[in-house]
Amino acid sequence: EPEVTQTPSHQVTQMGQEVILRCVPISNHLYFYWYRQILGQKVEFLVSFYNNEISEKSEIFDDQFSVERPDGSNFTLKIRSTKLEDSAMYFCASSDGKRARYEQYFGPGTRLTVT
Amino acid sequence: SQQGEEDPQALSIQEGENATMNCSYKTSINNLQWYRQNSGRGLVHLILIRSNEREKHSGRLRVTLDTSKKSSSLLITASRAADTASYFCATDPMIKAAGNKLTFGGGTRVLVKP
Repeated sequence: EPEVTQTPSHQVTQMGQEVILRCVPISNHLYFYWYRQILGQKVEFLVSFYNNEISEKSEIFDDQFSVERPDGSNFTLKIRSTKLEDSAMYFCASSDGKRARYEQYFGPGTRLTVT
Repeated sequence: SQQGEEDPQALSIQEGENATMNCSYKTSINNLQWYRQNSGRGLVHLILIRSNEREKHSGRLRVTLDTSKKSSSLLITASRAADTASYFCATDPMIKAAGNKLTFGGGTRVLVKP
Protein backbone atom coordinates (compact mmCIF):
# COMPACT_ATOMS: atom_id res chain seq x y z
CA GLU A 1 0.00 0.00 0.00
CA PRO A 2 1.44 3.42 -0.92
CA GLU A 3 2.53 5.55 1.98
CA VAL A 4 4.00 8.93 2.79
CA THR A 5 7.64 8.76 3.81
CA GLN A 6 9.70 11.30 5.71
CA THR A 7 13.42 11.75 6.32
CA PRO A 8 15.19 12.01 8.61
CA SER A 9 13.26 10.35 11.41
CA HIS A 10 15.14 12.44 13.98
CA GLN A 11 17.06 15.67 13.45
CA VAL A 12 19.06 17.42 16.14
CA THR A 13 20.21 20.94 15.39
CA GLN A 14 21.56 23.95 17.19
CA MET A 15 19.54 27.11 17.62
CA GLY A 16 19.97 29.43 14.66
CA GLN A 17 20.79 26.67 12.20
CA GLU A 18 18.78 25.93 9.08
CA VAL A 19 17.04 22.58 8.73
CA ILE A 20 15.31 20.94 5.82
CA LEU A 21 12.77 18.24 6.46
CA ARG A 22 11.96 15.98 3.56
CA CYS A 23 8.82 14.18 2.56
CA VAL A 24 7.83 11.96 -0.32
CA PRO A 25 4.04 12.11 -0.66
CA ILE A 26 1.95 9.35 -2.20
CA SER A 27 2.72 9.44 -5.89
CA ASN A 28 -0.65 10.34 -7.41
CA HIS A 29 -1.55 12.89 -4.73
CA LEU A 30 -1.72 16.56 -5.55
CA TYR A 31 -2.31 18.23 -2.18
CA PHE A 32 0.48 18.36 0.36
CA TYR A 33 0.57 19.50 3.95
CA TRP A 34 2.86 20.05 6.89
CA TYR A 35 1.69 19.79 10.47
CA ARG A 36 3.58 19.81 13.71
CA GLN A 37 3.04 18.43 17.18
CA ILE A 38 4.90 19.86 20.13
CA LEU A 39 5.39 17.20 22.79
CA GLY A 40 2.18 16.68 24.73
CA GLN A 41 0.20 19.12 22.61
CA LYS A 42 -2.23 19.02 19.71
CA VAL A 43 -1.29 18.44 16.11
CA GLU A 44 -1.23 21.87 14.46
CA PHE A 45 -1.61 22.78 10.81
CA LEU A 46 1.30 24.66 9.29
CA VAL A 47 0.77 24.90 5.55
CA SER A 48 -0.97 23.37 2.56
CA PHE A 49 0.47 23.28 -0.95
CA TYR A 50 -1.19 22.70 -4.28
CA ASN A 51 -0.19 23.34 -7.87
CA ASN A 52 3.27 24.49 -6.84
CA GLU A 53 2.11 27.17 -4.49
CA ILE A 54 0.99 27.63 -0.92
CA SER A 55 -2.79 27.48 -0.71
CA GLU A 56 -3.13 28.16 3.00
CA LYS A 57 -0.83 28.77 5.93
CA SER A 58 -1.24 29.20 9.65
CA GLU A 59 0.05 31.94 11.92
CA ILE A 60 2.85 29.60 12.96
CA PHE A 61 4.15 29.52 9.39
CA ASP A 62 6.07 32.80 9.49
CA ASP A 63 8.96 34.05 7.35
CA GLN A 64 11.30 31.52 8.93
CA PHE A 65 9.42 28.71 7.23
CA SER A 66 9.26 27.82 3.57
CA VAL A 67 8.09 24.87 1.52
CA GLU A 68 9.17 23.61 -1.83
CA ARG A 69 8.47 20.84 -4.26
CA PRO A 70 11.90 20.71 -5.91
CA ASP A 71 11.08 17.78 -8.18
CA GLY A 72 8.19 15.48 -8.98
CA SER A 73 8.44 13.47 -5.82
CA ASN A 74 9.85 15.43 -2.88
CA PHE A 75 8.14 18.01 -0.71
CA THR A 76 10.34 19.89 1.74
CA LEU A 77 9.90 22.12 4.76
CA LYS A 78 12.74 24.51 5.52
CA ILE A 79 13.20 26.35 8.76
CA ARG A 80 15.74 29.11 8.16
CA SER A 81 16.92 29.87 11.66
CA THR A 82 15.66 27.39 14.20
CA LYS A 83 14.48 28.39 17.66
CA LEU A 84 14.15 26.25 20.76
CA GLU A 85 10.36 26.41 20.39
CA ASP A 86 10.57 24.79 16.96
CA SER A 87 11.33 21.49 18.70
CA ALA A 88 8.44 19.24 17.74
CA MET A 89 7.38 16.31 15.63
CA TYR A 90 6.76 17.46 12.07
CA PHE A 91 4.31 15.50 9.96
CA CYS A 92 3.90 15.62 6.23
CA ALA A 93 0.56 14.60 4.73
CA SER A 94 -0.89 14.26 1.27
CA SER A 95 -4.32 13.80 -0.23
CA ASP A 96 -5.78 12.69 -3.52
CA GLY A 97 -6.49 15.55 -5.91
CA LYS A 98 -9.88 14.14 -6.78
CA ARG A 99 -10.80 13.88 -3.16
CA ALA A 100 -8.94 16.90 -1.83
CA ARG A 101 -11.39 17.37 0.97
CA TYR A 102 -11.18 13.78 2.06
CA GLU A 103 -8.60 11.61 3.72
CA GLN A 104 -5.19 13.00 4.43
CA TYR A 105 -2.46 10.39 4.76
CA PHE A 106 0.32 11.18 7.16
CA GLY A 107 3.95 10.20 7.18
CA PRO A 108 5.70 8.82 10.27
CA GLY A 109 7.07 12.22 11.20
CA THR A 110 10.44 13.84 11.79
CA ARG A 111 11.32 14.59 15.38
CA LEU A 112 13.17 17.91 15.40
CA THR A 113 15.19 18.75 18.50
CA VAL A 114 16.66 22.23 18.71
CA THR A 115 19.35 22.66 21.36
CA SER B 1 -12.96 25.24 24.13
CA GLN B 2 -11.19 24.83 20.82
CA GLN B 3 -12.36 23.10 17.65
CA GLY B 4 -12.12 19.33 18.08
CA GLU B 5 -12.03 18.51 21.77
CA GLU B 6 -12.04 14.89 22.81
CA ASP B 7 -13.22 13.41 26.03
CA PRO B 8 -12.24 11.68 28.08
CA GLN B 9 -8.59 12.68 27.96
CA ALA B 10 -7.62 9.21 29.12
CA LEU B 11 -9.33 5.84 29.24
CA SER B 12 -8.21 2.59 30.78
CA ILE B 13 -10.06 -0.64 30.00
CA GLN B 14 -9.60 -4.39 30.06
CA GLU B 15 -9.01 -6.35 26.86
CA GLY B 16 -12.34 -7.37 25.37
CA GLU B 17 -14.21 -4.33 26.66
CA ASN B 18 -15.50 -1.55 24.45
CA ALA B 19 -13.90 1.89 24.40
CA THR B 20 -15.92 4.99 23.62
CA MET B 21 -14.52 8.46 23.14
CA ASN B 22 -16.21 11.67 22.09
CA CYS B 23 -15.26 14.69 20.07
CA SER B 24 -16.93 18.07 20.06
CA TYR B 25 -16.32 20.88 17.62
CA LYS B 26 -17.52 24.40 17.01
CA THR B 27 -17.69 25.32 13.33
CA SER B 28 -19.55 23.71 10.44
CA ILE B 29 -17.62 20.87 8.90
CA ASN B 30 -17.29 19.11 5.60
CA ASN B 31 -16.15 15.92 7.27
CA LEU B 32 -14.62 14.60 10.47
CA GLN B 33 -11.76 12.14 10.57
CA TRP B 34 -10.40 9.93 13.33
CA TYR B 35 -6.72 9.09 13.62
CA ARG B 36 -4.69 6.82 15.86
CA GLN B 37 -1.20 7.59 17.10
CA ASN B 38 1.00 5.10 18.88
CA SER B 39 3.43 6.69 21.31
CA GLY B 40 5.87 8.91 19.47
CA ARG B 41 4.81 7.61 16.08
CA GLY B 42 2.89 8.87 13.07
CA LEU B 43 -0.83 9.38 12.60
CA VAL B 44 -2.78 6.52 11.13
CA HIS B 45 -6.04 7.36 9.39
CA LEU B 46 -8.89 5.28 10.80
CA ILE B 47 -12.14 6.52 9.40
CA LEU B 48 -13.77 9.54 7.78
CA ILE B 49 -17.40 10.49 8.20
CA ARG B 50 -18.98 13.13 5.99
CA SER B 51 -21.31 15.80 7.27
CA ASN B 52 -24.31 14.14 5.63
CA GLU B 53 -23.58 10.78 7.27
CA ARG B 54 -24.71 9.79 10.74
CA GLU B 55 -22.90 6.53 11.34
CA LYS B 56 -20.07 4.61 9.78
CA HIS B 57 -18.42 1.28 10.51
CA SER B 58 -14.98 -0.09 9.75
CA GLY B 59 -14.11 -3.43 11.27
CA ARG B 60 -14.30 -3.01 15.05
CA LEU B 61 -14.72 0.75 14.74
CA ARG B 62 -18.01 2.58 14.80
CA VAL B 63 -18.20 6.32 14.34
CA THR B 64 -21.25 8.49 14.79
CA LEU B 65 -21.73 12.12 13.86
CA ASP B 66 -24.38 14.49 15.16
CA THR B 67 -24.03 17.77 13.30
CA SER B 68 -26.83 19.38 15.30
CA LYS B 69 -24.81 18.86 18.48
CA LYS B 70 -21.49 19.27 16.69
CA SER B 71 -20.20 16.05 18.15
CA SER B 72 -18.84 12.68 17.09
CA SER B 73 -18.07 9.47 18.90
CA LEU B 74 -15.64 6.66 18.19
CA LEU B 75 -16.41 3.22 19.56
CA ILE B 76 -13.82 0.45 19.52
CA THR B 77 -15.48 -2.88 20.20
CA ALA B 78 -13.81 -5.92 21.72
CA SER B 79 -10.62 -3.99 22.42
CA ARG B 80 -7.19 -5.57 22.19
CA ALA B 81 -3.90 -4.62 23.82
CA ALA B 82 -2.73 -3.47 20.37
CA ASP B 83 -5.45 -0.79 20.42
CA THR B 84 -3.45 1.03 23.10
CA ALA B 85 -2.77 4.43 21.53
CA SER B 86 -3.94 8.02 21.42
CA TYR B 87 -6.98 8.71 19.30
CA PHE B 88 -7.61 12.09 17.69
CA CYS B 89 -10.51 13.59 15.89
CA ALA B 90 -9.78 16.09 13.15
CA THR B 91 -12.30 18.35 11.49
CA ASP B 92 -12.28 19.56 7.93
CA PRO B 93 -14.08 22.91 7.98
CA MET B 94 -16.86 23.86 5.59
CA ILE B 95 -14.95 26.55 3.73
CA LYS B 96 -13.95 26.89 0.12
CA ALA B 97 -10.20 26.60 0.22
CA ALA B 98 -7.87 25.09 -2.32
CA GLY B 99 -6.21 23.10 0.40
CA ASN B 100 -8.20 22.02 3.40
CA LYS B 101 -6.51 22.11 6.76
CA LEU B 102 -7.47 19.67 9.45
CA THR B 103 -7.99 20.93 12.98
CA PHE B 104 -7.07 18.30 15.55
CA GLY B 105 -8.36 17.79 19.04
CA GLY B 106 -6.20 17.06 22.04
CA GLY B 107 -6.76 13.33 21.82
CA THR B 108 -7.89 10.53 24.07
CA ARG B 109 -5.18 8.24 25.45
CA VAL B 110 -6.51 4.70 25.55
CA LEU B 111 -4.82 1.99 27.56
CA VAL B 112 -6.05 -1.56 27.00
CA LYS B 113 -4.85 -3.87 29.73
CA PRO B 114 -4.33 -7.54 28.84
